[in-house]
Formats: sequence, C-alpha cells, structure tokens
Amino acid sequence: QVQLQESGPGLVKPSETLSLTCTVSGGSISSYYWSWIRQPAGKGLEWIGRIYTSGSTNYNPSLKSRVTMSVDTSKNQFSLKLSSVTAADTAVYYCASGYSGYGNWGQGTLVTVSS
Amino acid sequence: DIQMTQSPSTLSASVGDRVTITCRASQSISSWLAWYQQKPGKAPKLLIYKASSLESGVPSRFSGSGSGTEFTLTISSLQPDDFATYYCQQYNSYWWTFGQGTKVEIK
Repeated sequence: QVQLQESGPGLVKPSETLSLTCTVSGGSISSYYWSWIRQPAGKGLEWIGRIYTSGSTNYNPSLKSRVTMSVDTSKNQFSLKLSSVTAADTAVYYCASGYSGYGNWGQGTLVTVSS
Repeated sequence: DIQMTQSPSTLSASVGDRVTITCRASQSISSWLAWYQQKPGKAPKLLIYKASSLESGVPSRFSGSGSGTEFTLTISSLQPDDFATYYCQQYNSYWWTFGQGTKVEIK
C-alpha cells in the first residue's frame, strides 16, 4: 500500500510562495497520478491539480495562474508551489493518488498564511 | 468546469437507518465518480469508485449507483462508525471537482 507524507512550512507570509512536498513510500511514483487537494477549516475539499510522472499537469482553473506542480522520480517525491498567497489560501493541504478516485492520501498539513 | 451538487447538505439519521445521498453533475460524467467518507481531523477515505465499484476493505453496506449526471451513495444500515461527512468527486474532465459535502449526524 502506497503511503504519502506531506512536508513544508506551516506558516507562510502574504504575497509569498507556499511550497509543499509529498514523499511517496511503499510503491513507485512511476504509477498513478499525483494530486494536491486542500480544505479550509470547516469547509469542503478543493481540488488543486494533478501531475503524471511524464510531467503532464492539469490545474484547477481558479488557481492555474498561481500553481506549479513538479515530480522528482529519483526521490519518489512530488511538489506544489502556490504563489502570491493570501489568507484565503490558509487550509489543510493533502497530497493524494490513485488509479480511479483517490485511494491513497497523506495525513494533511496545515498551512497558515499570516504575517 | 463541471459543478457537483450534493443533497442534502446535512442528514440526521439513527443507527440502522437506510441512508441515501445524491450527487448531481452539471454535465454528463459517464461513470467517472467517486465517493469519500471524512471524519474530523482525518483525510478522506475512498469508498466507491467508478460510480458503483466498492473499494477494497469497505463494508458492503455501502453502495453506489448512477451514471451520466445523477448518482447516489446508499448506506443500507447506518452504523455508529458511519457518522461522518461524505463527498462525491468527478474525474471525467481535465480538472476534477468535489461536491460540497453531506454531513450525516446522529438523530
């Protein structure tokens, strides 16, 4: 069973770039698609985007201008960068993967945008 | 983009009840729909994929049906562990979307 673990700063200043990494263990990153999903406190899930190991990406149109995803197959990791953050980007960020639906999730990491 | 609308937003039920949650897509998504269960402070858990396929390890009291634009998640006999929030998610288009969630509460 693939296991995912998010890592990165828990506090980011407004206008700066949020950077998170998801480390994959128990399986190869050369399978599945790899995604980021976020959830503001008390609210629903928002799909941010996905990346394939080929490097091909698809992003949520509402975030597309600020999002960059990348994959490092040598480290079994994939990453998220979200630029020009505001308080509205404060949320728990999850990495997730699967073949049909997301069968694998990280535990989530809280990122707070505040000065 | 494809909008997913769940109903109801909140559902009050008792242990043993049959529970049905509906998810409607703003356009056809064939059968590319998943259902998740989320408990407070935890990551979502996949229950159903491809509209009606039960994820391994998920109890058989959970079932999914539908295609096109209308889908349902049914819990045949609600158990204490089932009180949670449920989300549908479409993965038909280039970008994927979740429903707003249905909270199943104790009546």
